Amino acid sequence: KAGVTQTPRYLIKTRGQQVTLSCSPISGHRSVSWYQQTPGQGLQFLFEYFSETQRNKGNFPGRFSGRQFSNSRSEMNVSTLELGDSALYLCASSYQNTGELFFGEGSRLTVL
Amino acid sequence: AQSVAQPEDQVNVAEGNPLTVKCTYSVSGNPYLFWYVQYPNRGLQFLLKYITGDNLVKGSYGFEAEFNKSQTSFHLKKPSALVSDSALYFCAVGSNTGGFKTIFGAGTRLFVKA
Repeated sequence: KAGVTQTPRYLIKTRGQQVTLSCSPISGHRSVSWYQQTPGQGLQFLFEYFSETQRNKGNFPGRFSGRQFSNSRSEMNVSTLELGDSALYLCASSYQNTGELFFGEGSRLTVL
Repeated sequence: AQSVAQPEDQVNVAEGNPLTVKCTYSVSGNPYLFWYVQYPNRGLQFLLKYITGDNLVKGSYGFEAEFNKSQTSFHLKKPSALVSDSALYFCAVGSNTGGFKTIFGAGTRLFVKA
């Protein structure tokens, strides 16, 4: 069974640009969560989607948005990039509400 | 609101010795507790979870964790550490209110010395 796939793995952007990150969950998993990982802040919860609906959202500005498609694939978008957005963005899928998260390798974003 | 604390930034242990990585949590209702491990430049990998039942939970790679409701703790343990256990360990707490949300601790870096 294929794991969680995130693309792209690495990307470099400049301030003010926008970026879209993609996540394909494990087949059969309907829940997708996104996290931002930085050395100073650790793992911060961004949002969680289930069956195309955002069920939970973390404390991030509106520049951070996401969506989920009917095939459970998910994208997150960050607009008007700031230097502080440089981070590893992790996607995780889950089969059920009480289940463990299965993480992708992450997308490392560098904002210059 | 849910939260989780890992009081130690780093834990050092000699190979062959037992290890403990500490975690305390706060959550409304019954907790869903997890431990994950992260190796360099990789995503997180699930180790074990507690939802209900026996307070001692066994997981992958010989790790186990003890749930203590009165102390709101969920410490990760291993009887005999390996050098290959050196990694970043995260404790997490899940809540099933209004959709599932998992919150992670800051992480504890484990160094196992040969």
